Amino acid sequence: SQTIHQWPATLVQPVGSPLSLECTVEGTSNPNLYWYRQAAGRGLQLLFYSVGIGQISSEVPQNLSASRPQDRQFILSSKKLLLSDSGFYLCAWSRGGDYEQYFGPGTRLTVT
Amino acid sequence: ILNVEQSPQSLHVQEGDSTNFTCSFPSSNFYALHWYRWETAKSPEALFVMTLNGDEKKKGRISATLNTKEGYSYLYIKGSQPEDSATYLCAFRNNAGNMLTFGGGTRLMVKP
Repeated sequence: SQTIHQWPATLVQPVGSPLSLECTVEGTSNPNLYWYRQAAGRGLQLLFYSVGIGQISSEVPQNLSASRPQDRQFILSSKKLLLSDSGFYLCAWSRGGDYEQYFGPGTRLTVT
Repeated sequence: ILNVEQSPQSLHVQEGDSTNFTCSFPSSNFYALHWYRWETAKSPEALFVMTLNGDEKKKGRISATLNTKEGYSYLYIKGSQPEDSATYLCAFRNNAGNMLTFGGGTRLMVKP
């Protein structure tokens, strides 16, 4: 069976500090991978998606970036966090674009 | 920017009540409509993927209908139970890519 992991589960970081959130998927190969964010009081917003190693599409211009160094690893990064980066970050995977998406447990990020 | 809206934003019902809520989405270039249930401190869980106009899907006491011509989907819960308390998300996918656009969610609270 497939599983998706995210870490850390919670993170408190000062403004201006760097960020690295990691997501890994087990039990499948060549998944589509996605990063979403839910800011306080808002719905899920797609940040990045990837259809393969090194292939990243960005949906929202911001100070975040994503990388996919391995087939089942997706990393969300920032060089300098802003207060507005606080939120709940979810990673998801799907079998190509035609199938439903499966979500990880999420990371709660608080920027202080 | 695709507009996906859910109403109401929140809903309080008594145990045993039946309830329903709405997701509206663009009626052009439709590909699929997804429903998810998101319980606090858990990952969003896929409920339904709907692709055809007039689709009706059912899982236990939860069912959903789809009208792609007018751009709406209803989610029904029959005989609500406290464990149904969650945020219900719909997500729209058009035929232009792999991305899901999420609505803001309906937060359901079922009182015992």
